[in-house]
Amino acid sequence: AQSVAQPEDQVNVAEGNPLTVKCTYSVSGNPYLFWYVQYPNRGLQFLLKYITGDNLVKGSYGFEAEFNKSQTSFHLKKPSALVSDSALYFCAVRPPNGNNRKLIWGLGTSLAVNP
Amino acid sequence: DADVTQTPRNRITKTGKRIMLECSQTKGHDRMYWYRQDPGLGLQLIYYSFDVKDINKGEISDGYSVSRQAQAKFSLSLESAIPNQTALYFCATSDTSGGGSYNEQFFGPGTRLTVL
Repeated sequence: AQSVAQPEDQVNVAEGNPLTVKCTYSVSGNPYLFWYVQYPNRGLQFLLKYITGDNLVKGSYGFEAEFNKSQTSFHLKKPSALVSDSALYFCAVRPPNGNNRKLIWGLGTSLAVNP
Repeated sequence: DADVTQTPRNRITKTGKRIMLECSQTKGHDRMYWYRQDPGLGLQLIYYSFDVKDINKGEISDGYSVSRQAQAKFSLSLESAIPNQTALYFCATSDTSGGGSYNEQFFGPGTRLTVL
């Protein structure tokens, strides 16, 4: 079965330190990959996506993500975390074949950036 | 995102009542979605619509129905609400520009529904 895993329920990092939020997927072919962020009491906001090309994708708010095909991973990164980055982060994958209407969502990772 | 609005934002109701959640968008997108979010379960797709005449069931459609009244409006109904439908509900939209299969979704602010 196709799936997306975010292996860490919560990530804690000190302000100013680099952060990584992990995502791995089990989907055949070359999927499209997305990261979304959810701030408290808000809807999800799109951060970035990988479709094809350069494995390092840059997105909003200084975030970037690295696609690794051999490890089937798409980890979200930021060189220097801010307290305001504290939020819930979701990885999502759209399979390249079959029903092209549905994203497969990870369960989310709660990021806490400590001052 | 103010371009996707949901009403009401909060609703408390009783078991057995019929509830309608409404979603409107000014983005001009053709695709619309309804999700529910439960703690620890991520997002689950309830229904999705590619255009006014195209309605499709998602992963958890039982107990729900939808209506796409216009391109800009997509309503979700709970015909007879039950307590395990207590959740946060999100509407989302996307478009088909540039091929469409990889365009991101834009979410409304959510409706917090409590069924007593």
